[in-house]
Amino acid sequence: ETGVTQTPRHLVMGMTNKKSLKCEQHLGHNAMYWYKQSAKKPLELMFVYSLEERVENNSVPSRFSPECPNSSHLFLHLHTLQPEDSALYLCASSQDGRAQAFFGQGTRLTVV
Amino acid sequence: QKEVEQDPGPLSVPEGAIVSLNCTYSNSAFQYFMWYRQYSRKGPELLMYTYSSGNKEDGRFTAQVDKSSKYISLFIRDSQPSDSATYLCAMSKNTGTASKLTFGTGTRLQVTL
Repeated sequence: ETGVTQTPRHLVMGMTNKKSLKCEQHLGHNAMYWYKQSAKKPLELMFVYSLEERVENNSVPSRFSPECPNSSHLFLHLHTLQPEDSALYLCASSQDGRAQAFFGQGTRLTVV
Repeated sequence: QKEVEQDPGPLSVPEGAIVSLNCTYSNSAFQYFMWYRQYSRKGPELLMYTYSSGNKEDGRFTAQVDKSSKYISLFIRDSQPSDSATYLCAMSKNTGTASKLTFGTGTRLQVTL
């Protein structure tokens, strides 16, 4: 198994749909993150979970709802998204006390 | 003003050239510095990690940090077509209970035959 696995790799959804992105890390880390990557913009940190507790929500709209049931799994629940939410959504993990984060391959989301 | 500035490129070099990629930043609180490589349609892959000022070498890659100038660099020697990718700089203020990285926009590099 690779370090950080994201599913699905691609997702097309209508504005009224509900879908979920899944992330699983096999590195034994205890912090997990969701980042958004849009064209020509830096990666934007959305949510941070440390030891399964959300420690940061960077003013993300409520149509994005994260869930971290344990230190190995992270979900991003999506509902009533807008076309401008189309982007690459990246999951990452790190170990407490270390700066380096390790990323999954991302989910390419298209909202139509 | 962005916290981290990075020239988006694209930067095109011939195979075998030495490549220099750079980022500047404005917040002196940053202490941990990373370079990620991102191939098209893939997630970022950690290449180099440096704490505070100084140099670090790993094979053909050298990372430099100059905290007094708020300037970091990545050098690639003997560049190969397989080095063609987008290179992202990232930095963090502390490790704490979770690492929150601030990224540059990335520089797209093309190494030609």
